[in-house]
Amino acid sequence: SQWGEENLQALSIQEGEDVTMNCSYKTYTTVVHWYRQDSGRGPALIILIRSNEREKRSGRLRATLDTSSQSSSLSITAAQCEDTAVYFCATRQGTGSKLSFGKGAKLTVSP
Amino acid sequence: AQTIHQWPVAEIKAVGSPLSLGCTIKGKSSPNLYWYWQATGGTLQQLFYSITVGQVESVVQLNLSASRPKDDQFILSTEKLLLSHSGFYLCAWSPTGGDERLFFGHGTKLSVL
Repeated sequence: SQWGEENLQALSIQEGEDVTMNCSYKTYTTVVHWYRQDSGRGPALIILIRSNEREKRSGRLRATLDTSSQSSSLSITAAQCEDTAVYFCATRQGTGSKLSFGKGAKLTVSP
Repeated sequence: AQTIHQWPVAEIKAVGSPLSLGCTIKGKSSPNLYWYWQATGGTLQQLFYSITVGQVESVVQLNLSASRPKDDQFILSTEKLLLSHSGFYLCAWSPTGGDERLFFGHGTKLSVL
């Protein structure tokens, strides 16, 4: 899982497999962001899930949010090579402008 | 459509030298602006935040400063670089009015030698 002092998580799968990345956060939040970052590029938002949604889908992506356990997950169905990237979750810690990012999960999808 | 442009793409600088990185957002009036720093293989650390011209909030102290001289421009600078300043600097913007989405630039890779 992301957050805390863990190092960047590394995941390696084959094309066509499903994968789930987990994220836990420390303080109450009403929204969790999921970003993907390709090598040498800035992150791009892929899903934003709010506390009243519990689950949100976008194509082959599915995000869940459990506010009681302060955790979120991002699943990719039938992964493709182009899904290779680093995936970050991010939350706002209470009120204010700071958006805190998790440690990230480096996903490698091989043909 | 909104565009965000960062400059330069990469910099190699000597310890103790000054630095200035820039970011321009086009197509969006009065966006919230952010500077993030990312170590190689690391997560993103928010450095500064600005909601309007002339107002900048510091999130962490890294011997860096930021300014917003124009509505669409955000500048990150320091008079004296440290080795620890090496990394990837990302500018981002978000719409105002409760829209929490962040849109990042392509970043500037800084190597301090």
